[in-house]
Amino acid sequence: DTEVTQTPKHLVMGMTNKKSLKCEQHMGHRAMYWYKQKAKKPPELMFVYSYEKLSINESVPSRFSPECPNSSLLNLHLHALQPEDSALYLCASSLHGGLGALYGYTFGSGTRLTVV
Amino acid sequence: DAKTTQPTSMDCAEGRAANLPCNHSTISGNEYVYWYRQIHSQGPQYIIHGLKNNETNEMASLIITEDRKSSTLILPHATLRDTAVYYCIVRTRGGGADGLTFGKGTHLIIQP
Repeated sequence: DTEVTQTPKHLVMGMTNKKSLKCEQHMGHRAMYWYKQKAKKPPELMFVYSYEKLSINESVPSRFSPECPNSSLLNLHLHALQPEDSALYLCASSLHGGLGALYGYTFGSGTRLTVV
Repeated sequence: DAKTTQPTSMDCAEGRAANLPCNHSTISGNEYVYWYRQIHSQGPQYIIHGLKNNETNEMASLIITEDRKSSTLILPHATLRDTAVYYCIVRTRGGGADGLTFGKGTHLIIQP
């Protein structure tokens, strides 16, 4: 299995809703990432998990709450989002550290989120 | 990580070679050049990377100038499915898990 699987593919939520995005990989990768991508812009890094521990938080608002329950799963919990949070949310994984940079990052196809 | 400069957009005829340039004049000795592409509504996909020698794989070739200040990604026989945004990224190979930093990339449009 050489894929990163993200669910759901599309999500529409109200500003008072709570929802979660899910990301799964079975490649034995020990680093996992969340990116946010607005239309016609490059992906922007949000969070990095390394060996199931949060190692980087790029000053993301607290209405986004990441969770890494095990080495194969990464969740992004959403609460009280704003319409400007509408975007494509991408998950990626890599072998940890230098090996990750050597062999590349594997991205999922993303969840298209619309906040109404 | 060194900054990169790429053209905003390029056109190429189907079946011809697509040559995508990237300038990275501040690259340091331990930094690699990576190329990723993102087809519309999909996640970025790794293409190729190199340090100073030219590299080739089943997807593309990477030509790095001798002074390493610029590089060119070559898609030898472009197809319509190669229409995508192509990102040139310069970074060290080692270190912790710190993710990729994307620039604006080049939107390559393959014309039939």
